[in-house]
Amino acid sequence: DGGITQSPKYLFRKEGQNVTLSCEQNLNHDAMYWYRQDPGQGLRLIYYSQIVNDFQKGDIAEGYSVSREKKESFPLTVTSAQKNPTAFYLCASSTFRQTEQYFGPGTRLTVT
Amino acid sequence: GQNIDQPTEMTATEGAIVQINCTYQTSGFNGLFWYQQHAGEAPTFLSYNVLDGLEEKGRFSSFLSRSKGYSYLLLKELQMKDSASYLCAVRDLNDYKLSFGAGTTVTVRA
Repeated sequence: DGGITQSPKYLFRKEGQNVTLSCEQNLNHDAMYWYRQDPGQGLRLIYYSQIVNDFQKGDIAEGYSVSREKKESFPLTVTSAQKNPTAFYLCASSTFRQTEQYFGPGTRLTVT
Repeated sequence: GQNIDQPTEMTATEGAIVQINCTYQTSGFNGLFWYQQHAGEAPTFLSYNVLDGLEEKGRFSSFLSRSKGYSYLLLKELQMKDSASYLCAVRDLNDYKLSFGAGTTVTVRA
């Protein structure tokens, strides 16, 4: 079955720690995206990558970092510099210029 | 950039029809998407409009007017499982990024 996997589903961390969220896809999609969703708000783009070894900042990249060493993988690191890291994080992928993005199940991060 | 507005909440009765409006302002338009998102889950694709007019897909239809910066999603024969958040998203002409509205929470009552 083709799809996008994110792990873990729930993640708890102490303030001041960096944490890496996993995103893997086997859809052979070129483009991958990371979004953040807060209660009552829409999705906000953190980073996106349209090709291996290249990525671009989205609207709220501060405090986050990414890498794209393989086509299938696009991990997101939430650093200690992110002021309000507690949120629901969604990864998505698409073929370049395709009509829709496919979303993973999400990771709910809680930082205390 | 994009500015996307949609109502926060709507309530309707099972079997009825609900119309969710979305207005947008954009520097470069390359399509409008509607997604459904149940609480705590990932968004799932519902519809895509890039030309003016109505796209029908079963109980769901989506309409676009590019000159007015306006779209709506029409949900017919509402079922309890349609209770969810509906997200309007606009794709940018230059970089193909999606910008999302805050979502409309639809509650279907028996």
